[in-house]
Amino acid sequence: DQQVKQNSPSLSVQEGRISILNCDYTNSMFDYFLWYKKYPAEGPTFLISISSIKDKNEDGRFTVFLNKSAKHLSLHIVPSQPGDSAVYFCAAIGMNSGYSTLTFGKGTMLLVSP
Amino acid sequence: DVKVTQSSRYLVKRTGEKVFLECVQDMDHENMFWYRQDPGLGLRLIYFSYDVKMKEKGDIPEGYSVSREKKERFSLILESASTNQTSMYLCASSFSELMNTEAFFGQGTRLTVV
Repeated sequence: DQQVKQNSPSLSVQEGRISILNCDYTNSMFDYFLWYKKYPAEGPTFLISISSIKDKNEDGRFTVFLNKSAKHLSLHIVPSQPGDSAVYFCAAIGMNSGYSTLTFGKGTMLLVSP
Repeated sequence: DVKVTQSSRYLVKRTGEKVFLECVQDMDHENMFWYRQDPGLGLRLIYFSYDVKMKEKGDIPEGYSVSREKKERFSLILESASTNQTSMYLCASSFSELMNTEAFFGQGTRLTVV
C-alpha cells in the first residue's frame, strides 16, 4: 500500500511561472518530509525539507507547505526555470523494523519550457 | 561535501550471473541504503544497514542480499540475476537515526540483465 502518493506523473509550466508539485501521505506517524530532484542518469539530490511542527519552509525559489490535517504537502517553485526540468520525488521519514527510513512517492516529472 | 560513490554507472549482465554492486561513502555515515528506481514506481527500498555487519530488509528484498563489512562500504548482491532486476540502482547514506536530516545519494548504476 502506497504511503506517499504523487498523483501527477508530469507537469508542464512556462518559464517564469509558478510550478506547484503535490504530495499526499497516509501514515500519520510520518514527521519529517523531504523533496528530492533527479536528473536522468544521476542520483537524486536533496532540495528542501520540512518538519511536521512547521507548515512552511522556504529556501530561495523553493517553498514547501505542509497541511498536516489533510496529510498533504506541496512544493512551489517561483519563478520556474528551464534548469528546473527534472523528476521531483516527495519523501517521508517513517519507521521500518524499528528503524527510520525514507519512503518515496513515484515522482512527478516537471518540464519548464522557455 | 558528502560523497557517495557507486562503482559502476552502467552494467550489462547475463541471466543467472551473480552480480555485485558496490557503494562507498566518505562521510563516516552510520546508515546506508539500497533503492531501485523504475518508471512509474518511484524509489523502492531493497535493504538498509545501520551498522557494520548489520542489515535489515526493506520493502522489496527478494532476490537480493547485502554485505556491510566496513562502515564506509555497502554492497548489493544479486545472487542469480533475472531480467526483472533490470533497473536503476541507487545507494544512499545518512547520519544515524535519519531524523530531521537528509540522505545523500550516489550517481546510480543502470543495470541491464539480458
